[in-house]
Amino acid sequence: QVQLVQSGAEVKKPGASVQVSCKASGYTFTTYVISWVRQAPGQGLEWMGWISPYNGKTEYARKFQGRFTMTKDTSTSTAYMELRSLRSDDTAVYYCARVMSIFGVVITPHYMDVWGKGTPVSVSS
Amino acid sequence: DIVMTQSPDSLAVSLGERATINCKSSQSVLNSSNNKNYLAWFQQKPGQPPKLVVYWASTRDSGVPDRLSGSGSGTDFTLTISNLQAEDVAVYYCQQYYTTPWTFGQGTKVEI
Repeated sequence: QVQLVQSGAEVKKPGASVQVSCKASGYTFTTYVISWVRQAPGQGLEWMGWISPYNGKTEYARKFQGRFTMTKDTSTSTAYMELRSLRSDDTAVYYCARVMSIFGVVITPHYMDVWGKGTPVSVSS
Repeated sequence: DIVMTQSPDSLAVSLGERATINCKSSQSVLNSSNNKNYLAWFQQKPGQPPKLVVYWASTRDSGVPDRLSGSGSGTDFTLTISNLQAEDVAVYYCQQYYTTPWTFGQGTKVEI
């Protein structure tokens, strides 16, 4: 079955970086975009960006540009996100999600249909 | 950015009754070239990731009970849960994927 398995919980100090992985299985990795969404404790959902495993194209939410990077490794069907210069308000659960997309001349991502279980990241001194 | 506003923030419904959640976008999410509304609904239970319920505003995802239904177009959307069951207790989010940044409503908590 389709699954996205995320790496385990992280505890970081302010100013550090964190990398979260998202390993896909049960489908062809390059035929769906992967998106990243986070959720602070007790709060709503916040979209961070997406990456196409097909060609590496990315789109970032303006808020995270400059300290957030998404990458992919098609040989292991794994997507990665890295968030740098961590602050206490980056404490959240980070989710990856598969995105139903249209692949044509331009990649057009649509809705997020399968989600990973989430990776808690805690930032505290 | 498109702002998504849900109402109410929470509601309590008796078992077997109907729950109605509204979602309004600050600009239209209807693509006139394909007549599709770029709007999804998610259900999130405590300690779990969000689960896709509805996409294209009214298409139920596979395995979703038909008592959950989405409707609306343009800027105004509704998720209706008919015959509410205990397993429907959750927070529901609407989300637009019409343009980036993708944005979510603040969530509506449905309780018994």
